[in-house]
Amino acid sequence: DTAVSQTPKYLVTQMGNDKSIKCEQNLGHDTMYWYKQDSKKFLKIMFSYNNKELIINETVPNRFSPKSPDKAHLNLHINSLELGDSAVYFCASRTQGADTEAFFGQGTRLTVV
Amino acid sequence: QKEVEQNSGPLSVPEGAIASLNCTYSDRGSQSFFWYRQYSGKSPELIMSIYSNGDKEDGRFTAQLNKASQYVSLLIRDSQPSDSATYLCAVKRQGAQKLVFGQGTRLTINP
Repeated sequence: DTAVSQTPKYLVTQMGNDKSIKCEQNLGHDTMYWYKQDSKKFLKIMFSYNNKELIINETVPNRFSPKSPDKAHLNLHINSLELGDSAVYFCASRTQGADTEAFFGQGTRLTVV
Repeated sequence: QKEVEQNSGPLSVPEGAIASLNCTYSDRGSQSFFWYRQYSGKSPELIMSIYSNGDKEDGRFTAQLNKASQYVSLLIRDSQPSDSATYLCAVKRQGAQKLVFGQGTRLTINP
């Protein structure tokens, strides 16, 4: 199936831990994103990569570090997790340069306890 | 002022009626406009995109864009209970990579 896939779907962890979320797309897109959706459903962009190059970093704490080993993958590593990091994190991808929509992964619900 | 604003709702509409969802944006350079639907616990999925002023129809859905008023709306005709979801408006500036979302409007269709 062509899609944007994220793992894991659920992540429960204690404060202070370090965790990673992985994202892969097989749509042939060259731009990938991480969005954070809070409890009020507001989707806020965090990062965007184009062909492995960081192009958007929306004043996210440096505890969050994205890594793109190739244009089909964009992972998110989070250090020293805090309670306020609890949210749903969505990976998305689209084709650069076209006024096309972004396709979203199924989301990772992160709960920090 | 938020970049993209929507009525957060909840908006409650009887089955069979027209649901009207509104969105305003602040960046006059915005060129691409999208409506996403998000069911509870699921990911956003695109239902409509619109790029030119006027109306664009797709089945029961009609998107309306007025760039002069910086306003985009989504009409859902013959509303069904399965239309109950959060609807997200997204806006993109020409040439930009960032898709900016509104806070979403929660829509409930009552049988």
